[in-house]
Amino acid sequence: AQKITQTQPGMFVQEKEAVTLDCTYDTSDQSYGLFWYKQPSSGEMIFLIYQGSYDEQNATEGRYSLNFQKARKSANLVISASQLGDSAMYFCALHNRLAFGKGNQVVVIP
Amino acid sequence: DTAVSQTPKYLVTQMGNDKSIKCEQNLGHDTMYWYKQDSKKFLKIMFSYNNKELIINETVPNRFSPKSPDKAHLNLHINSLELGDSAVYFCASSPAGTAGNTIYFGEGSWLTVV
Repeated sequence: AQKITQTQPGMFVQEKEAVTLDCTYDTSDQSYGLFWYKQPSSGEMIFLIYQGSYDEQNATEGRYSLNFQKARKSANLVISASQLGDSAMYFCALHNRLAFGKGNQVVVIP
Repeated sequence: DTAVSQTPKYLVTQMGNDKSIKCEQNLGHDTMYWYKQDSKKFLKIMFSYNNKELIINETVPNRFSPKSPDKAHLNLHINSLELGDSAVYFCASSPAGTAGNTIYFGEGSWLTVV
């Protein structure tokens, strides 16, 4: 079975600090894509960052970066310099199988 | 300008009713999806269509019937609504296939069955 695991409980982060959100996955596919999405309280799903399984470098997108460790099957999201607007649920997704993790709740405090 | 739009955004209805949620994308994508997000925020794929053809149909009651009149539209019809159908339903689209292609989501439709 293909699956995504996000097990961290809700997290409080001080504004301007970095936060790491854990994601591990299980797939037998050789080629796959990992995505992170943000869901603020308003409910929309916002694409943040993508990592391909054959990409040699870790993906970065502004303040978002992916710590991709293929051998460990982990794709952790790092948000640097947290802002109040980063408060949201964050979902890791394995797109080959259209599988989403259960999400990480992040609250940024001033 | 909304890329993936779905209507209605909020829907409150009684058990046993039949309701539809419409979805349209103007991105020219070949693939469209319906996801269900339950009260615990778990997102689960329900259906996936590619060029109007059903390619993924997860274990979903047959009270749920997707319809794709063309590749820009994927509507979700639900018969005999039950309390457990209360959830947020997300429509989404992507270029052909999923690997390496971002999935663009609609804003969600909040369905409450009373």
